[in-house]
Amino acid sequence: QVQLVESGGGVVQPGRSLRLSCAASGFTFSDYTFHWVRQAPGKGLEWVAVMSYYGGNTYYADSVQGRFTISTDSSKNTLYLQMDNLRPEDTAIYYCAGQYCTATFCERFDPWGQGTLVTVSS
Amino acid sequence: DIVMTQSPDSLTVSLGERATINCKSSQSVLHTSNNKNYLAWYQQKSGQPPKLLIYWASTRESGVPDRFSGSGSGTDFTLTISSLQAEDVAVYYCQQYYSTPITFGQGTRLEIK
Repeated sequence: QVQLVESGGGVVQPGRSLRLSCAASGFTFSDYTFHWVRQAPGKGLEWVAVMSYYGGNTYYADSVQGRFTISTDSSKNTLYLQMDNLRPEDTAIYYCAGQYCTATFCERFDPWGQGTLVTVSS
Repeated sequence: DIVMTQSPDSLTVSLGERATINCKSSQSVLHTSNNKNYLAWYQQKSGQPPKLLIYWASTRESGVPDRFSGSGSGTDFTLTISSLQAEDVAVYYCQQYYSTPITFGQGTRLEIK
C-alpha cells in the first residue's frame, strides 16, 4: 500500500525547534521528489519546501528560508523537516507529499500524508 | 512566482446541477517539451488532507467519479462537476507544479443550495 505517514507535531514555544518525520512505504523512495505543504487553521494550502532525490536539490518558500531544513534518510525511507526559530505564524497542519520525477520531468503530487499539527504558542 | 487565482471564492449549487470553478495562472504552465499543462485540482473535505482529483489539467485520478472533469490550457483552467452530489461539499484548490515555488489557488468553497 502506497502511503506517507507524518509524525513529530506538537505544541512548541516561539523560538524553539521541532523536527517532523514522514515515513514512506509501498513505493520506490529513490524515484520520488518530496515536498512539505502546510495549512494554517482555516486557511489555504501553502507549499513549504522540496527535496529532489535526483540530485538532492532543495528549495524553500521565502517564509521559511533560513529557518527550516528539508532532508531525507534513504536507509529509513523517511523525509524530515527540521524547523528552527519557530514563530506563531508557523502554526499549521504539515503535510508531506511525494512526486514521481525523472531527470527531465516530474509528475503529480501523489501520495499525500494525513498531516501532523504544529502549534507554536507560549 | 506563478500566482494562481481561483474564481469564485465560494459557490452554492443545487443537487444534480453543474458546478464550475475557474483557475487562472499568472504565466503559462504548459511545458512545451511534453505538451502537458502542469496543473492539478484537489478536493479537501473538512478535517481531511487534500485529495487529488485531476492532473495534467484534464486527467482524472484513478477512482475519481467521472462527474469530475478538468479542461483548459496555458493560463486558464476549469474544474467542472457535471451533476453535484451531497458528498461533493468541500473546498477545491488548483495547483501549478510547473515551477518552484509550487503554488496553489486560494480555494473555492462549494456548498449545496
